[in-house]
Amino acid sequence: AAGVIQSPRHLIKEKRETATLKCYPIPRHDTVYWYQQGPGQDPQFLISFYEKMQSDKGSIPDRFSAQQFSDYHSELNMSSLELGDSALYFCASSLGQGGNEQFFGPGTRLTVL
Amino acid sequence: GDSVTQMEGPVTLSEEACLTINCTYTATGYPSLFWYVQYPGEGLQLLLKATKADDKGSNKGFEATYRKETTSFHLEKGSVQVSDSAVYFCALSDYGNNRLAFGKGNQVVVIP
Repeated sequence: AAGVIQSPRHLIKEKRETATLKCYPIPRHDTVYWYQQGPGQDPQFLISFYEKMQSDKGSIPDRFSAQQFSDYHSELNMSSLELGDSALYFCASSLGQGGNEQFFGPGTRLTVL
Repeated sequence: GDSVTQMEGPVTLSEEACLTINCTYTATGYPSLFWYVQYPGEGLQLLLKATKADDKGSNKGFEATYRKETTSFHLEKGSVQVSDSAVYFCALSDYGNNRLAFGKGNQVVVIP
């Protein structure tokens, strides 16, 4: 069965650069979530989209923005990168909301030097 | 806000031993509860879930029962294998707030 696809899998950037992470949800899933997992930490919710509209916002820095496109894929844009942004970024998708199961992608490991 | 508390520290045990990882939660509504597992270098995989009080989730020999009276969702397995070595996260999702709130996770190491 098709799973959530994230690209790239690994990304290395310098401080103050920008990065774009992409997420392709499971076919027919209309909801996308972004999470950030720092080293040795639990995943923290950043933002979510339902039917291309932002549905919830968590601890996402103002330097980050995200959107969901008409084909339901989502992109997380990160600007003015800081060392502390180094983390594993997960995308998850679900069919609808209401506590439905979220399926996670393999993550993008971002390293900021 | 909603939160999840897992027992402190890693868990090291021998093959075929019993595993219990405690998880308690705080939520304003009636959350769905989940256990996710993360193998080294990989993403999060849903292990089991329960959506209402007294529901029991089970998968691959793991079980957890949604206890509303004690606000708990402890994970248990009767006989662990080396392949069960991973980090286990308890999580909740409230109906009106679909984000997952995770506990701190527990590293489980099973020794042959």
